[in-house]
Amino acid sequence: EAGVTQSPTHLIKTRGQQATLRCSPISGHTSVYWYQQALGLGLQFLLWYDEGEERNRGNFPPRFSGRQFPNYSSELNVNALELEDSALYLCASSLDRGNQPQHFGDGTRLSIL
Amino acid sequence: QQQVKQSPQSLIVQKGGISIINCAYENTAFDYFPWYQQFPGKGPALLIAIRPDVSEKKEGRFTISFNKSAKQFSLHIMDSQPGDSATYFCAASTTGNQFYFGTGTSLTVIP
Repeated sequence: EAGVTQSPTHLIKTRGQQATLRCSPISGHTSVYWYQQALGLGLQFLLWYDEGEERNRGNFPPRFSGRQFPNYSSELNVNALELEDSALYLCASSLDRGNQPQHFGDGTRLSIL
Repeated sequence: QQQVKQSPQSLIVQKGGISIINCAYENTAFDYFPWYQQFPGKGPALLIAIRPDVSEKKEGRFTISFNKSAKQFSLHIMDSQPGDSATYFCAASTTGNQFYFGTGTSLTVIP
């Protein structure tokens, strides 16, 4: 069974630019979650999508947005990039059956110059 | 507000020793408590998880102890090995699938 895949592995941008990160969930999983992991910090919840709808979002500004496609893959968009957006962005997927374990990809390392 | 508080921030253990990481929570609606292991350059991987209807769950050298009345749960790694050196995260969630993660514990096992 293929795991959660994320692309690209690394992404370098400059301040003010826009970044798009992609995630393919495990086959059969309908829920996708996005987390930000800044250096030395824990996982900060960003967004949760299920069946194409945004179910919940964390305490992040509106320039962090995303969407989920009919095949359950997902995209995270970050507009007007700031230096503090430099972090590892992790995607996880799960079955939507209530309290199912989340399975993570290896993340996209976003660096803002 | 940190929903799940994890300690210690870092831990150094001799090979063969016991590693213990603790987590505490306030929300009594939490009903699923997983632990994740993360190696550098990799995403977190589910290690072991427990639901509040049991007080202990063991899988190999890894054990979760759960104290519902104290709202605490802990991870015990028996016979710790250098290959266990990683960052460990506890988490808690409600039926709505919102996961709250602890801040992580960096474990170093010295040969």
